[in-house]
Amino acid sequence: QLQLLQSGPGLVKSSETLSLTCTVSDDSIRSTHYYWGWIRQPPGKGLEWIGHGHYSGNIYYNPSLKSRVSISVDTSKSQFSLKFNSVTAADTAVYFCARRAIIPLAGKSHHVFDFWGQGTLVTVAS
Amino acid sequence: DIQMTQSPSSLSASVGDRVTITCRASQDISNWLAWYQQKPEKAPKSLIYGATTLQSGVPSRFSASVSGTDFTLIISDLQPEDFATYYCQQYGYYPLSFGGGTKVEIK
Repeated sequence: QLQLLQSGPGLVKSSETLSLTCTVSDDSIRSTHYYWGWIRQPPGKGLEWIGHGHYSGNIYYNPSLKSRVSISVDTSKSQFSLKFNSVTAADTAVYFCARRAIIPLAGKSHHVFDFWGQGTLVTVAS
Repeated sequence: DIQMTQSPSSLSASVGDRVTITCRASQDISNWLAWYQQKPEKAPKSLIYGATTLQSGVPSRFSASVSGTDFTLIISDLQPEDFATYYCQQYGYYPLSFGGGTKVEIK
């Protein structure tokens, strides 16, 4: 069973850069069938898509966050990463990494976050 | 951007009940919709994609339907392990967006 293991600091100072890494337990990071994404959840609130990337270099960002976010996929390490700069208290959240699978169904491709990391609570301190 | 509006935001139900959760998209998203279940302090779990197709391993008491821009998740015969928060998510258009969630609590 695939596992996504997140790593990175749980405390970041305001105006600095949040950096998280997700390690993929199998070789699927090199597959054309998967994207690798980040989603966050402020305490007690709902889910917000940050972005996702493919090993080919295609990367998609939430426009509301795009100016501060960078996602990269490193197939040599079976890892993908999130960098979020100029953070403020509003960026305090649980950050999840997730695999976005491309699933064929009735002639269409459906893209679903089918495996998730354990989540990392990142607190931005002033 | 597409807004996903879930209702209700919370509900109380008993074991054995039939529960219905609705998600409305602000515009046509065809069947580009997924449902997720999230338990406290845990990552979301994929339940349904393509609006009505169950992920492998998801119990058959979960089902879903679609009518235009209205999507419904149904849990028949609610079990203790089903008490959780449920989210819909559209993946047809960028930016991807989630509904606000529906918390299913024990009555």
